[in-house]
Amino acid sequence: QQQVKQSPQSLIVQKGGISIINCAYENTAFDYFPWYQQFPGKGPALLIAIRPDVSEKKEGRFTISFNKSAKQFSLHIMDSQPGDSATYFCAASMNQAGTALIFGKGTTLSVSS
Amino acid sequence: NAGVTQTPKFQVLKTGQSMTLQCAQDMNHNSMYWYRQDPGMGLRLIYYSASEGTTDKGEVPNGYNVSRLNKREFSLRLESAAPSQTSVYFCASTAASHSSYNEQFFGPGTRLTVL
Repeated sequence: QQQVKQSPQSLIVQKGGISIINCAYENTAFDYFPWYQQFPGKGPALLIAIRPDVSEKKEGRFTISFNKSAKQFSLHIMDSQPGDSATYFCAASMNQAGTALIFGKGTTLSVSS
Repeated sequence: NAGVTQTPKFQVLKTGQSMTLQCAQDMNHNSMYWYRQDPGMGLRLIYYSASEGTTDKGEVPNGYNVSRLNKREFSLRLESAAPSQTSVYFCASTAASHSSYNEQFFGPGTRLTVL
């Protein structure tokens, strides 16, 4: 049973456009929701994260929107740039020492210039 | 700080051969993880070590063993490699303190091909 479902699998956006990636989770015990960014040939790196006590978190052009009742969260990339072209993974876990992250299957974003 | 390092970067094995993937971190992190990444499957947890001296199975542990050698090092062993284990393997670590987010830091990966 997949605990974190991510969509779409791939996304093509024009430069300057908004990229939106969605995730849904099942376990109501999850209370930490990060997004990771991965460039080809590299390991994933934390992009932005949110806890369920807030509905939105913004860092520069990247925003997480969180809907606790719907058990959904999404990543919005404003003014998308070619340098944003990468694979994005949502994840979820309980914020306890040593707890493993459960990852979505990833979204490959291509920003065309 | 080198962060999380993994060796080797690339490896080709024949079916039935064994090998150990090495991982080390210099951030004094408590918890360490091994993931495999396959196209369209995301990152799947193989094993993890919440703290030195403990290890636990993740989602896909079959065919693998791990050793938490000390606080810095966490190795992954394939005893008898199979083509289904062809994948990119990532090691990660986290401070796992009660006052911090559970941010995981990833290594650069080991690309393994089993023929």
